[in-house]
Parts: sequence; structure tokens; C-alpha cells
Amino acid sequence: AQSVSQHNHHVILSEAASLELGCNYSYGGTVNLFWYVQYPGQHLQLLLKYFSGDPLVKGIKGFEAEFIKSKFSFNLRKPSVQWSDTAEYFCAVGSSGNTGKLIFGQGTTLQVKP
Amino acid sequence: DAMVIQNPRYQVTQFGKPVTLSCSQTLNHNVMYWYQQKSSQAPKLLFHYYDKDFNNEADTPDNFQSRRPNTSFCFLDIRSPGLGDAAMYLCATSRDRSVSNIQYFGAGTRLSVL
Repeated sequence: AQSVSQHNHHVILSEAASLELGCNYSYGGTVNLFWYVQYPGQHLQLLLKYFSGDPLVKGIKGFEAEFIKSKFSFNLRKPSVQWSDTAEYFCAVGSSGNTGKLIFGQGTTLQVKP
Repeated sequence: DAMVIQNPRYQVTQFGKPVTLSCSQTLNHNVMYWYQQKSSQAPKLLFHYYDKDFNNEADTPDNFQSRRPNTSFCFLDIRSPGLGDAAMYLCATSRDRSVSNIQYFGAGTRLSVL
């Protein structure tokens, strides 16, 4: 069965620090990968996605992620975080089969200190 | 403007008392999903509607039902809530079931069971 693992459950950073959140998935076939973000009190929204092509994808608000097929990883990065990046971040993989189902990781809570 | 609206944001029910959660969308999307997210866990798909076709996940308890009377609305019914059903319930929509389609989420309904 497909699964997604996020290594860090809670990350605390100071503003301007660099961020990397780990994500590994278990599925060996063609994958569609996503990072969603949930700001406090708001809905989940798409940060970035990878379907094919350039393994380095750029998303909103200066975030990027790199797909490394050999490592089954899709880590999220940002060179310099801001206080407004405080949120919960979810990595997800699109399930095989014609359902559109997303399989989520447990999420990482990022707290950025001003 | 909110495109996927969930009501209520917070719902308290009693053990065994049926409860209905509501989701509406203004995107005219064909697919509507219901996810359950327990504390510190990944969102987990319960079922989805593709147009009028209901698709249940294999491990979704019978206690959970859903209705979609029209394109815009979808309901989650919990027939006899147990303490273990306390969770955040997320509704999402997508244009179709291709895994490359982005899912749009509502803000969720947090269910408490007393």
C-alpha cells in the first residue's frame, strides 16, 4: 500500500533561517506529489506539485521542492522563512487508480519565531 | 471568496446521537471528497462522489454515510457517533478524478463527541 512519511513533526525556526521538511513515499510507480499548507484557522491549500519534468518545482511564497526518485523523496525547502510561514505542512501522493485519492503524511507543524 | 464551504466549523454531539456535516462548493466540480483527520494524524479519505456515483473506501466504517443531492452539496452522516469519531472532517473537491487535478479543501468541521 502507498504511504507517505514526514520525518519532522514539529519544527521551530527563527525568522530568516532556512527550512527543509522531509517527505518520503513508498510507491514505486509513477507518482504525483504535492505539498499542502494549512495556516492557522484556514483551509488546506496547495503549495506546489510535481507530476513530471524538472524535478525541482517552485511553488508559492518562495517555497520549492525537489523530487529525487532514487530516494523516494520530495523534500520541501525555503531559503529564508518568515513569521507568516507558521503553519502545518502536509506532503501527499496521488494514489494510483482512477480515484484522485490523496494519501497524506502526518504533517509537520512549523513555528517561526519573530 | 471561499469556494468550498463547510458547516458548521465546530460540532458537538452526544455519543450515539446522529450528526450531519455539510459541505458546499461554488466550483461546479464533479468530485467531492470527505477526509477524516484525527489529532496528529494524516487526513484519511473516507469516500468520494464522482458526480452521483458514490465510492466508499474499503476501510470506512458503515457508521459513516454520505449524500450528494446535487452538484453543489455533499453531506457526511455519522449514524451513531462514538468517542473515536471525534476528529476534523475535511471536504474537498476536484474537477475530475485524475490524480493530477488539484483538490480544493474547505476549512473543516471539528467534531466533538461527548
